[in-house]
Amino acid sequence: NAGVTQTPKFQVLKTGQSMTLQCAQDMNHEYMSWYRQDPGMGLRLIHYSVGAGITDQGEVPNGYNVSRSTTEDFPLRLLSAAPSQTSVYFCASSYFGRGPEQFFGPGTRLTVL
Amino acid sequence: AQKITQTQPGMFVQEKEAVTLDCTYDTSDPSYGLFWYKQPSSGEMIFLIYQGSYDQQNATEGRYSLNFQKARKSANLVISASQLGDSAMYFCAMSLPGGQGGKLIFGQGTELSVKP
Repeated sequence: NAGVTQTPKFQVLKTGQSMTLQCAQDMNHEYMSWYRQDPGMGLRLIHYSVGAGITDQGEVPNGYNVSRSTTEDFPLRLLSAAPSQTSVYFCASSYFGRGPEQFFGPGTRLTVL
Repeated sequence: AQKITQTQPGMFVQEKEAVTLDCTYDTSDPSYGLFWYKQPSSGEMIFLIYQGSYDQQNATEGRYSLNFQKARKSANLVISASQLGDSAMYFCAMSLPGGQGGKLIFGQGTELSVKP
């Protein structure tokens, strides 16, 4: 199993550009989530999904879109990048009701100029 | 509103000694989970230990134990016999209502440095 994979590892954008951060898991987990981590802070939940076709907002959803067309994939779209979105983005997945552990991807470091 | 507070930005501990990292939480939901994650300088998030709000016993995983005091709303992490490899950021987290482990809120973290 590859676990949770994220691409790209690093990305530099200009203000106003759009892009998609990719996340995939091969563990057949129902739950998938996106978090951002700013310097010196803990992770904050952006969006999450409890299964294909079902998504909901977290603490800091503004400026981001998600969709979940398959169990495996949960892409995060930045609609119009802003310097405030410079952060490290983590994708995570977990079983629903079958254990507490959330498995994290390696993260994507995004810089918006 | 749910909240996690870690009041120790940084901690030092001598190798082989025990250390306690503090975490307090606030929620009105009777059902919740408490988590500790380790983040080394390489950046990945490593799950350490979990405590459910209805669990009677404190959780333990090897050298890690969670000192769960429900009335005080605290969930401190105890690391016994510290090792140099324990130097990292440590985050306390709590599951949001309806979220099991999929919706977490995190504290700001404690940076632990283990001295040889």
